[in-house]
Amino acid sequence: GQNIDQPTEMTATEGAIVQINCTYQTSGFNGLFWYQQHAGEAPTFLSYNVLDGLEEKGRFSSFLSRSKGYSYLLLKELQMKDSASYLCAVRDSNYQLIWGAGTKLIIKP
Amino acid sequence: IAGITQAPTSQILAAGRRMTLRCTQDMRHNAMYWYRQDLGLGLRLIHYSNTAGTTGKGEVPDGYSVSRANTDDFPLTLASAVPSQTSVYFCASSESSNHEQFFGPGTRLTVL
Repeated sequence: GQNIDQPTEMTATEGAIVQINCTYQTSGFNGLFWYQQHAGEAPTFLSYNVLDGLEEKGRFSSFLSRSKGYSYLLLKELQMKDSASYLCAVRDSNYQLIWGAGTKLIIKP
Repeated sequence: IAGITQAPTSQILAAGRRMTLRCTQDMRHNAMYWYRQDLGLGLRLIHYSNTAGTTGKGEVPDGYSVSRANTDDFPLTLASAVPSQTSVYFCASSESSNHEQFFGPGTRLTVL
């Protein structure tokens, strides 16, 4: 079967750095996405990885290792507005997205 | 309008009733999707359409139907609602199945 695993909840301090991990087992791999979802709102696109390595975009970076079936999202200089759920999704061999349940990130002052 | 819209925002529905959730995008995206999001679970794909005139079944299609008569609109119909269809429904679109998806604001549906 297809499976995306990520921690249910994490807590971090304002100004700090946090790493949210995602492991996956899917039928085929055509890229990995990270989305941010604030409570009661729609998911919004953060990053996309299809090759191994690190993609940096401002305070957010995303890493991929296809051989390990592993990705992480790194958030630097945390701000209170970063409190949200972070969703990991893998595009499978049918070009459909398989979604993890999301990691709820709580930022404390 | 700009982006992707959904209607209604929320709805309470009696079991057995028929309901259509509307979704419209103005980005001229070829692909559109319907997901449901339930607490503790990832987004689950109900139906999708890679281009106008075509549709496909996702992970959880039973009890739902869709149509794609044109590029902009992708309505989702529940023929006879059941309580297990209580959920938040998101419509999304993308330029193609190769691109990132953009989400509408969602419809919160409660079936009693």
